[in-house]
Amino acid sequence: DAGITQSPRHKVTETGTPVTLRCHQTENHRYMYWYRQDPGHGLRLIHYSYGVKDTDKGEVSDGYSVSRSKTEDFLLTLESATSSQTSVYFCAISEIGQRGRSTDTQYFGPGTRLTVL
Amino acid sequence: RKEVEQDPGPFNVPEGATVAFNCTYSNSASQSFFWYRQDCRKEPKLLMSVYSSGNEDGRFTAQLNRASQYISLLIRDSKLSDSATYLCVVSYNTNAGKSTFGDGTTLTVKP
Repeated sequence: DAGITQSPRHKVTETGTPVTLRCHQTENHRYMYWYRQDPGHGLRLIHYSYGVKDTDKGEVSDGYSVSRSKTEDFLLTLESATSSQTSVYFCAISEIGQRGRSTDTQYFGPGTRLTVL
Repeated sequence: RKEVEQDPGPFNVPEGATVAFNCTYSNSASQSFFWYRQDCRKEPKLLMSVYSSGNEDGRFTAQLNRASQYISLLIRDSKLSDSATYLCVVSYNTNAGKSTFGDGTTLTVKP
């Protein structure tokens, strides 16, 4: 158990509304990631963070922003939700390796099911 | 072409059967390899890492062939509880820990 929680676990919202998903971890991991999972596409990286206030884009970052003001929290925001953003969103962490490098093993939170009507 | 490709299946096998999954990757600079298991409507969970020398964990054996750029997972003596989707994962940049996931192979083990 990597101590990762996500909130909310389920959300239904309407097109055009802002939505923020929260990922919280309790073990001080430096690296955190947001993925979306859709049928036929597998898991795709949206954004990731390598430290407080240090974030970068993944392969499907359009329409999403992130923030990390504390080590334990990584927020994913949909500024104006669209139906194409209906998906399951997973947060993940990487364990810290020696010399501050991440090991590649990732551990996932339980996911958030988002429906945009 | 996807960077990581898996046969989506589904694989339907009887209990006790041996089943093998393959995964191919396109980036020859790939550094780390994993198999994850994902149950329906749950998060992916690490099953095992894959090393060039091959590794075994109970009924599960993982192999890596760098020359041919493929990874395999062998499950012996399948159990009903092995029914899940198996994800192949390849990492290209250990500094950021970023990984690329295959779409998964679905296994159903039947009594």
